[in-house]
Amino acid sequence: QKEVEQDPGPLSVPEGAIVSLNCTYSNSAFQYFMWYRQYSRKGPELLMYTYSSGNKEDGRFTAQVDKSSKYISLFIRDSQPSDSATYLCAGRDNTDKLIFGTGTRLQVFP
Amino acid sequence: SQTIHQWPATLVQPVGSPLSLECTVEGTSNPNLYWYRQAAGRGLQLLFYSVGIGQISSEVPQNLSASRPQDRQFILSSKKLLLSDSGFYLCAWSRFPGQAYNEQFFGPGTRLTVL
Repeated sequence: QKEVEQDPGPLSVPEGAIVSLNCTYSNSAFQYFMWYRQYSRKGPELLMYTYSSGNKEDGRFTAQVDKSSKYISLFIRDSQPSDSATYLCAGRDNTDKLIFGTGTRLQVFP
Repeated sequence: SQTIHQWPATLVQPVGSPLSLECTVEGTSNPNLYWYRQAAGRGLQLLFYSVGIGQISSEVPQNLSASRPQDRQFILSSKKLLLSDSGFYLCAWSRFPGQAYNEQFFGPGTRLTVL
């Protein structure tokens, strides 16, 4: 079993839709959770960084962590074609090592 | 501001040939440095990380090695490449090692194809 599981997609939505991206994890020691966005042939860039359970909002993006069910989500409101990318979730325990999911490819069409 | 460089951007190598990928970070000192590999359909796999000059931790047994000859330089090497070494290699750095908030910043990557 992989430590972080993520549906690879692709997920295709129309512009303006609300997008829900999800991951599950198995390591109970994870305390920090991240969402990275990766455009094609580029390095990932950090979108959201959360600690423990709860919600965190930043503009059109909301990250949600439920440690009881080991489930993390990223919601994108009013999705734009520029949001088309691969979204990677990651977990981290009290070390500095990140464990990534395989990524979900999102396509937002006009 | 801090920047991270990787080169080359793309590389095509025959099986059995050696490999050297370089990563440098500017604008910070004593960062943690990381090498990841991203294969098609797979997530980022941590290969090596370094907390200081000459200090390398290996996460996955393989025919790759890493070195950190200077504070902001990280090198990934192989003596003989395998087909399975093909992938997108990413270098990353973090500036607050050991702290709760410790974002990793990624470089532009090197796409390696082994034929």
